[in-house]
Amino acid sequence: NAGVTQTPKFRVLKTGQSMTLLCAQDMNHEYMYWYRQDPGMGLRLIHYSVGEGTTAKGEVPDGYNVSRLKKQNFLLGLESAAPSQTSVYFCASSPTGDNTEAFFGQGTRLTVV
Amino acid sequence: GNSVTQMEGPVTLSEEAFLTINCTYTATGYPSLFWYVQYPGEGLQLLLKATKADDKGSNKGFEATYRKETTSFHLEKGSVQVSDSAVYFCALRNAGGTSYGKLTFGQGTILTVHP
Repeated sequence: NAGVTQTPKFRVLKTGQSMTLLCAQDMNHEYMYWYRQDPGMGLRLIHYSVGEGTTAKGEVPDGYNVSRLKKQNFLLGLESAAPSQTSVYFCASSPTGDNTEAFFGQGTRLTVV
Repeated sequence: GNSVTQMEGPVTLSEEAFLTINCTYTATGYPSLFWYVQYPGEGLQLLLKATKADDKGSNKGFEATYRKETTSFHLEKGSVQVSDSAVYFCALRNAGGTSYGKLTFGQGTILTVHP
């Protein structure tokens, strides 16, 4: 049971470089989420998706873009990385948007130098 | 918009002590409420949930009651163990409206239990 898989697990970027984080889930879930976790700030929602082909902004969307071309994948892009984007990024998915459990990936630790 | 506020941490306890982690929320309508736990180096996992007023969620000795009148969902455990050391997150999810499905977390509370 793979569940939610994030790729890569670690990455170091230089300021201005771009990259894409991949989140894949094999549970046929409709809802997917991208969060960043910073010390003292908890988890802050970047973007989320309520189904294939749809995306919505969360609390901290600036500097990020997302796509959900396939139901099982949710991509998070950084077009021009900044040191402020140094963080641990978590992806999650859930079957529905009401009271069902969200399943999390193991996280991606990104450092921008 | 929706928000979740947790008590300031970190919390340090001795084994077998009583635990309370406070959580209050602001939301429109009737959100579902959750507690998630994060062990070192791992992603979050669901600890318990409650979906309507006066519901009590429970799991592994932890409990939390959905109090709509005080907009609270405090986490409690009668006797903590060293293995309970982790970060605990309170969360809510909209039940309707334009932000349906949005899952919002509090800032997390670090719990350390000493033998």
